[in-house]
Amino acid sequence: ETGVTQTPRHLVMGMTNKKSLKCEQHLGHNAMYWYKQSAKKPLELMFVYSLEERVENNSVPSRFSPECPNSSHLFLHLHTLQPEDSALYLCASSRNPEASYNEQFFGPGTRLTVL
Amino acid sequence: DQQVKQNSPSLSVQEGRISILNCDYTNSMFDYFLWYKKYPAEGPTFLISISSIKDKNEDGRFTVFLNKSAKHLSLHIVPSQPGDSAVYFCAASGRTSGSRLTFGEGTQLTVNP
Repeated sequence: ETGVTQTPRHLVMGMTNKKSLKCEQHLGHNAMYWYKQSAKKPLELMFVYSLEERVENNSVPSRFSPECPNSSHLFLHLHTLQPEDSALYLCASSRNPEASYNEQFFGPGTRLTVL
Repeated sequence: DQQVKQNSPSLSVQEGRISILNCDYTNSMFDYFLWYKKYPAEGPTFLISISSIKDKNEDGRFTVFLNKSAKHLSLHIVPSQPGDSAVYFCAASGRTSGSRLTFGEGTQLTVNP
């Protein structure tokens, strides 16, 4: 397995459900990110983890709860979501979280639908 | 406050011709710019980048131009191929934001055979 993988690729859940999104990077990177992409809108940065420590939380509602148990794995725990949370959730990683001159590598995303 | 803007939501070109995708930014602290390409049902993939010390970077059919005074960058694809049809995102990062990227809204490029 290479690059950044995400599971599941598609998820349909009710507003009362609890589910988790998983991301794994096989690139030896030190930073991982969660993004939300809604239709016709830019990618919105949700969370940043640097060396397993959360360094940024962009005013994301508490119904989204990230977890980074090690530098290769990142989770996004979901509970009591709203229909407007339906979107593509993308995970990314980068080598050096403090350097602006390095690109992020993205996973394929999880298409989430909240009924 | 949209710091990175791609004002054209879509662009259609003929195979073999040049595609020019544009991006404007407002934050003068940005010093690194990237272009990503995204196919449906896939994550964005890195295409090409440029730092603020340069005004041009070329990689095969792809060239990115940076005009710092105008806070404008563009991606040129020549010759365009049908497989280039995708959504192209412009992104920027700066000295004060580390590797955090600010993205534009994306431009859907369609290359017609």
